[in-house]
Amino acid sequence: RKEVEQDPGPFNVPEGATVAFNCTYSNSASQSFFWYRQDCRKEPKLLMSVYSSGNEDGRFTAQLNRASQYISLLIRDSKLSDSATYLCVVLREGSSNTGKLIFGQGTTLQVKP
Amino acid sequence: NAGVTQTPKFRILKIGQSMTLQCAQDMNHNYMYWYRQDPGMGLKLIYYSVGAGITDKGEVPNGYNVSRSTTEDFPLRLELAAPSQTSVYFCASRKGVSDTQYFGPGTRLTVL
Repeated sequence: RKEVEQDPGPFNVPEGATVAFNCTYSNSASQSFFWYRQDCRKEPKLLMSVYSSGNEDGRFTAQLNRASQYISLLIRDSKLSDSATYLCVVLREGSSNTGKLIFGQGTTLQVKP
Repeated sequence: NAGVTQTPKFRILKIGQSMTLQCAQDMNHNYMYWYRQDPGMGLKLIYYSVGAGITDKGEVPNGYNVSRSTTEDFPLRLELAAPSQTSVYFCASRKGVSDTQYFGPGTRLTVL
């Protein structure tokens, strides 16, 4: 079983739609959680960190459920520019001294006009 | 700041050739990482370094070597290139474990 699992998609949605991505992680002692965005043939960039209380950044909302080992990302009012691959990322337990991140394979979003 | 820079952007190697992928950062970051990303897959950690003079293996280190003689530079060496090493290679760095990780633009390597 992969340590971080995501549905690869693609998710094809019209502009203005609300779309949600989910991610599960296998190590219950994982410490920190993130969503990264990766545009085609480009490097990943941090979109947002994910906190237990849930957090919002504009149209983006991230939530963490530690009991279910589940992370979500909600995008409201989708824009064409949101088309990208979204990577679920976990800081592995015991990595407090090394900062090693574990990446899911990513979920691809295509927003259509 | 230039951030994290990588050279070359593209390279084609023949089987058995060797090369060094260069990575540099000008942000005085302690932690540096090398990943590879195969098509449709997530990033896999090859090697990492928590500071100058200190390196360690990641998930997929076979066929690669690294060195970290300075804080700024973290080159990745491929010896005896194989077609299985065809991939996009990303270098990344961060100041501390709690800080944001920044990636370089990547090197696209093809081994024929």
